[in-house]
Amino acid sequence: GENVEQHPSTLSVQEGDSAVIKCTYSDSASNYFPWYKQELGKRPQLIIDIRSNVGEKKDQRIAVTLNKTAKHFSLHITETQPEDSAVYFCAARPPGAQKLVFGQGTRLTINP
Amino acid sequence: DAGITQSPRYKITETGRQVTLMCHQTWSHSYMFWYRQDLGHGLRLIYYSAAADITDKGEVPDGYVVSRSKTENFPLTLESATRSQTSVYFCASTLAGEETQYFGPGTRLLVL
Repeated sequence: GENVEQHPSTLSVQEGDSAVIKCTYSDSASNYFPWYKQELGKRPQLIIDIRSNVGEKKDQRIAVTLNKTAKHFSLHITETQPEDSAVYFCAARPPGAQKLVFGQGTRLTINP
Repeated sequence: DAGITQSPRYKITETGRQVTLMCHQTWSHSYMFWYRQDLGHGLRLIYYSAAADITDKGEVPDGYVVSRSKTENFPLTLESATRSQTSVYFCASTLAGEETQYFGPGTRLLVL
């Protein structure tokens, strides 16, 4: 079945700098890749997603890129702010399935 | 977000006891999911359901039982709780054909 690896497990950046989190997946037929943000003590919430027929998607300060050949996708956050501090999860959806397979999570800390 | 709720929010139980975690959604979403969240493992799928009376195993189903007699409810039962089942449990739901999974607020379970 699908397996998703996420790196790094922790990331600390200075406020205003950029942050990048990377994920790799194993099933080349997976077709949907969402990113969820989980603030401390809260539920995960979708922040951005990308489908397999698209290479890049942006939403204000966040962007996701997908490299199907290499089977990896990345989350990019620019001009980081303290409210970006959270745990971020990537996920992949196997073909023909509604379920998601999640990565292990990245704890992002923005230092003022 | 208010459309999916979980109860109880916190639960302490003892090894060997039966525990049922409740999940209720008001959106008439066809798909519902149960995940457990543990440090270093991200979100792991326990069971999911495509509709009432249709359930399927996820990555880590052992020790858990689910049922779905009504579309809006998806209870998760630990038949004989073990310490390894100490975790935070999240329920999620989505519409068939849609991609975004909406998470409940979570239940923090401690098994002594």
